[in-house]
Amino acid sequence: DTEVTQTPKHLVMGMTNKKSLKCEQHMGHRAMYWYKQKAKKPPELMFVYSYEKLSINESVPSRFSPECPNSSLLNLHLHALQPEDSALYLCASSQPPDSPEGGYTFGSGTRLTVV
Amino acid sequence: QKEVEQDPGPLSVPEGAIVSLNCTYSNSAFQYFMWYRQYSRKGPELLMYTYSSGNKEDGRFTAQVDKSSKYISLFIRDSQPSDSATYLCAMSRYGNKLVFGAGTILRVKS
Repeated sequence: DTEVTQTPKHLVMGMTNKKSLKCEQHMGHRAMYWYKQKAKKPPELMFVYSYEKLSINESVPSRFSPECPNSSLLNLHLHALQPEDSALYLCASSQPPDSPEGGYTFGSGTRLTVV
Repeated sequence: QKEVEQDPGPLSVPEGAIVSLNCTYSNSAFQYFMWYRQYSRKGPELLMYTYSSGNKEDGRFTAQVDKSSKYISLFIRDSQPSDSATYLCAMSRYGNKLVFGAGTILRVKS
């Protein structure tokens, strides 16, 4: 089992719905990430939180709204999504980049379908 | 030119073969190098993490980084059908985002 837990595993939502994706890690990592992955493509970075502060937003549309309530939790709020937003949404966490025990740990993802 | 180049495959090998997966990159500032394994419809699983140049071994897996050639490799010994997956190389520099290769699809035939 992965040490980054994402819920729900699957989500189907209409274009007018509001939903949230949740991510939790208890490894003491201080950086957390949201990625989007389309079929047969590598993950694409959406947001980075470092020490609970948003440090990178890769020009993601405002219909995606991240939130980091504390060092262990990361949410992604979804509103008025489009069918092309259907994808696997991955959460990841990491130590500070210069740690010898580095590497990003990914969750299993939420498979989102927008209808 | 992409920052990280990786042959998407698919690479098909018989069970027990030695598998070699490779990536090249153009940004000499990259310092952290990773290999991930991803099964269909699952999240990427970290296999190997290397800081700067050198080799690292973990069981059947060996990662090599050659910064002078801007080339990284992952070797899988005694490959098994359960190794069939997509393998993603990834790299970053201090304080910066992870850059992924396109991923190589590996199929190990029993």
